[in-house]
Amino acid sequence: DAGITQSPRHKVTETGTPVTLRCHQTENHRYMYWYRQDPGHGLRLIHYSYGVKDTDKGEVSDGYSVSRSKTEDFLLTLESATSSQTSVYFCAVSGGINQPQHFGDGTRLSIL
Amino acid sequence: QKEVEQDPGPLSVPEGAIVSLNCTYSNSAFQYFMWYRQYSRKGPELLMYTYSSGNKEDGRFTAQVDKSSKYISLFIRDSQPSDSATYLCAMSERGNNRLAFGKGNQVVVIP
Repeated sequence: DAGITQSPRHKVTETGTPVTLRCHQTENHRYMYWYRQDPGHGLRLIHYSYGVKDTDKGEVSDGYSVSRSKTEDFLLTLESATSSQTSVYFCAVSGGINQPQHFGDGTRLSIL
Repeated sequence: QKEVEQDPGPLSVPEGAIVSLNCTYSNSAFQYFMWYRQYSRKGPELLMYTYSSGNKEDGRFTAQVDKSSKYISLFIRDSQPSDSATYLCAMSERGNNRLAFGKGNQVVVIP
């Protein structure tokens, strides 16, 4: 157990509304990641953080922003949700570059 | 050509059989190789983590990496119904946090 809690676990919202997903970790890992998982695409990296206030884009970052004001929390925000952002979102953590990444149990987000 | 190719299955085997899974990849710079297991409605769980070529064994699980062929494998011996899950391969370059994932291979172990 990597001590990762994602909230909410499920969310249904409407197109155009803002949505924020939270990832909380208890083991002080330096790196945190947000992925989305979709049928036919597998897991794709949205954004990642390598320290407090230090973030960078992944391969599918358009439409998403992130923030990390504390080591233990990494937030993913959809400023104006679209139906194409309906997905399962996973948070992951790792201790360093090329260290194993450990995943939370995901947030199922449906945008109608 | 996709960066990582993985047959999605499903692969059905009887209990006690050996499960053989594999991924091929195109990026010769990949040096770190992982296998994750994912149960339905759960997050991926790290099973095996290897660096460069060779074999690694952990209980009933064996991971193999053949960098010359750009091919990795996972073997599960004495398969159990609890091994029924989707198995994801992942890999990364040295000094790079980005993981390239296969799409996952669904395995069903029939009692």
